[in-house]
Amino acid sequence: GAVVSQHPSWVICKSGTSVKIECRSLDFQATTMFWYRQFPKQSLMLMATSNEGSKATYEQGVEKDKFLINHASLTLSTLTVTSAHPEDSSFYICSARAGTSEETQYFGPGTRLLVL
Amino acid sequence: GQNIDQPTEMTATEGAIVQINCTYQTSGFNGLFWYQQHAGEAPTFLSYNVLDGLEEKGRFSSFLSRSKGYSYLLLKELQMKDSASYLCAVQDSNYQLIWGAGTKLIIKP
Repeated sequence: GAVVSQHPSWVICKSGTSVKIECRSLDFQATTMFWYRQFPKQSLMLMATSNEGSKATYEQGVEKDKFLINHASLTLSTLTVTSAHPEDSSFYICSARAGTSEETQYFGPGTRLLVL
Repeated sequence: GQNIDQPTEMTATEGAIVQINCTYQTSGFNGLFWYQQHAGEAPTFLSYNVLDGLEEKGRFSSFLSRSKGYSYLLLKELQMKDSASYLCAVQDSNYQLIWGAGTKLIIKP
């Protein structure tokens, strides 16, 4: 099956710093990647959708200047949490899809962010 | 608006069968997914239905009725490792996934 990796799996940082999370599709080309956030005991919340080579589409309420998304290639998307604050502490999960004709999204293992 | 409903929590006994229901109202329909999510981990893909009927995959089966906006996930021969949250998600007309809140399944010995 399709494999999606995320790095790092865990990150602890000080308030005010920036954190970059990488999402890679290892054995397929992902024309579309999705970034989700999940708080404890809650369902997934879509933050943004990114298509290779174009700007990401952010969901309502998600600050695009705070959560920078770059989908520079068909196998890599990055999410940068800028000037992180304790309320940004969450489980960030990416998923990738080969294209609109390929129905299934495959998820990365997630990145747990703790902002002190 | 778009809405996915599934029970918050269910309890079942090891070795038994459990059915997790999901009803949906979405703008367009391009398939329904079931994902399994263990605590602290990312979701893993279980099944995909786009046509009416039952799809069987080992101990897990998924059913879809598009006219009723209804799906269920059937888990047979339950094992302790099946304790997890089960997420129902519908792909809308823009191929975006609309997620249910998930059903926490507790398996008792």
